[in-house]
Amino acid sequence: EVQLKESGPGLVQPSQTLSLTCTVSGFSLTDYSVHWVRQPPGKGLEWMGVMWSGGSTAYNSALKSRLSISRDTSKSQVFLKMNSLQTEDTAIYYCTRAGNYWGQGVMVTVSS
Amino acid sequence: DVVLTQTPPTLSATIGQSVSISCRSSQSLLHSNGNTYLNWLLQRPGQPPQLLIYLVSRLESGVPNRFSGSGSGTDFTLKISGVEAEDLGVYYCVQSTHAPYTFGAGTKLELK
Repeated sequence: EVQLKESGPGLVQPSQTLSLTCTVSGFSLTDYSVHWVRQPPGKGLEWMGVMWSGGSTAYNSALKSRLSISRDTSKSQVFLKMNSLQTEDTAIYYCTRAGNYWGQGVMVTVSS
Repeated sequence: DVVLTQTPPTLSATIGQSVSISCRSSQSLLHSNGNTYLNWLLQRPGQPPQLLIYLVSRLESGVPNRFSGSGSGTDFTLKISGVEAEDLGVYYCVQSTHAPYTFGAGTKLELK
């Protein structure tokens, strides 16, 4: 069964760095891409970036200067790091396997 | 970036009614490989998005066949032939032809 699960801190202080982990099961990271998508409370979806199956990455240009995505294939994990967080980065953060399987999401609040 | 314009923003329907949602793109979504990467998602309250339709008109496994997608180039439509209570939520179109991937703003389907 394909599963994705996001984990990370629920609260981050302004200007700090967000670190999230997406742990997958039921498929290999070397076969499928994993994307990060976020959703501010009550708002729509924003594509953040992708870890391609081959190991390369692509980012939303609006976030590129702050965002880094990496992986550990041996642990079936994909990582998201985003620095200089502001209140507008408060959102539910999802990882998804190419859009057809989604994690439940993790709520991240940026507040002092 | 590609802008996807969804209409209407809100749709009120009775059970059994057929409804359509439009998604218009600011540029053609036809990829150089011949595919058109336009998908439709449904997000029920408190849940992650769920893939309904991919590549414009292909029904994701397990999705009822009352859902159908059509269109080409810049104009796309999702049709629900006979709304059921479980169909309520927010529908999003999403394109992955051009980076960065982008989502429509969503169409909220509610009961009349």
